[in-house]
Amino acid sequence: NAGVTQTPKFRVLKTGQSMTLLCAQDMNHEYMYWYRQDPGMGLRLIHYSVGEGTTAKGEVPDGYNVSRLKKQNFLLGLESAAPSQTSVYFCASSYSLHSSYNEQFFGPGTRLTVL
Amino acid sequence: QQQVKQSPQSLIVQKGGISIINCAYENTAFDYFPWYQQFPGKGPALLIAIRPDVSEKKEGRFTISFNKSAKQFSLHIMDSQPGDSATYFCAAPGVSGGYQKVTFGTGTKLQVIP
Repeated sequence: NAGVTQTPKFRVLKTGQSMTLLCAQDMNHEYMYWYRQDPGMGLRLIHYSVGEGTTAKGEVPDGYNVSRLKKQNFLLGLESAAPSQTSVYFCASSYSLHSSYNEQFFGPGTRLTVL
Repeated sequence: QQQVKQSPQSLIVQKGGISIINCAYENTAFDYFPWYQQFPGKGPALLIAIRPDVSEKKEGRFTISFNKSAKQFSLHIMDSQPGDSATYFCAAPGVSGGYQKVTFGTGTKLQVIP
């Protein structure tokens, strides 16, 4: 049981380049999330998904796109990277809406630098 | 958009002391308030959570105190140890677009010095 895994762990991009971050979970969770973590700003929600084929915008969605073609995978895409997207990205997953204790399980993070 | 205000931003405590981190939230329709702990280079992990039908929950050296009328909750770490040095996030649930989401506080970096 690997929990939540993220690929890659580190990446350096040049401005304007594109990339996709992959998140996978083996806990059969319905909900999946992408966050970015910046100093002094905590964890901010980028996009989330409530099930296969369904995605929604979070707090800071601009410049990112997501897809959830399979229940276990949640992809985060940057179409044209900007230096403002330099951050640590975390993926998380959780049980369904109907759980009172909706614990989120986080991956180890991807550190992205955009030059 | 659910707002969660967390303080202090950083905290230095002597080994054996008490660490206290505070959070305040706005309206919520759910009954679950978690604290997450994050060590350097790792993802956050659930530390302890409380439902507001109780005013306090204790797990070992960690205690959550909850004040529903004031919309505040706090984390107390008793007998703080160097191994507790981490960043702590409070969170509060909310609803957006009909779906449950959790809004995190901005985090408190705790350093416990020997």
